[in-house]
Amino acid sequence: DAGVIQSPRHEVTEMGQEVTLRCKPISGHNSLFWYRQTMMRGLELLIYFNNNVPIDDSGMPEDRFSAKMPNASFSTLKIQPSEPRDSAVYFCASSPYRLREQFFGPGTRLTVL
Amino acid sequence: KNEVEQSPQNLTAQEGEFITINCSYSVGISALHWLQQHPGGGIVSLFMLSSGKKKHGRLIATINIQEKHSSLHITASHPRDSAVYICAVEINTGNQFYFGTGTSLTVIP
Repeated sequence: DAGVIQSPRHEVTEMGQEVTLRCKPISGHNSLFWYRQTMMRGLELLIYFNNNVPIDDSGMPEDRFSAKMPNASFSTLKIQPSEPRDSAVYFCASSPYRLREQFFGPGTRLTVL
Repeated sequence: KNEVEQSPQNLTAQEGEFITINCSYSVGISALHWLQQHPGGGIVSLFMLSSGKKKHGRLIATINIQEKHSSLHITASHPRDSAVYICAVEINTGNQFYFGTGTSLTVIP
């Protein structure tokens, strides 16, 4: 298995632009998590899905952030419009089901200028 | 107020030493996770615990639910264990996670 796949690995964009981050979970995993990591705030859970349904998005910072999981093998995290304070590493993780070990993707390093 | 506190923040050890990293939390939890983040940035889940003790190779994780405390032990430490170790808890009254700020471990040959 290739593990959790994220793309792009690096993204540099200008303030105001739309950014879309992509994640392919491990096949057969029912839970998918989006995290953000910054030096100031450490790791934070943004949203998680169970069986493609968003269960909790209370960690999403504001309406500029949205996440979708149209099917079991693909999820997106969109920021529109992006701001410099969104610069961070965004991790996607999947697990066989809730309350089990999570497998993390390599992360997407986002820089908003 | 931090729901999850880790100690120490930084730790330097000689190769072969026994290492303990501590995690205390203040909320009711359904599970506790220990994560390892290497200098390259990748994150690996080491353990998920809801009670008792788990062992994997040289790593041992324990949790005391009554005392709201968990420890991660590394026996016979090796330079490749150098990483940041992060404690995370899943709260039992919702769907949120709280993360510790991490313990940066450096093992010197």
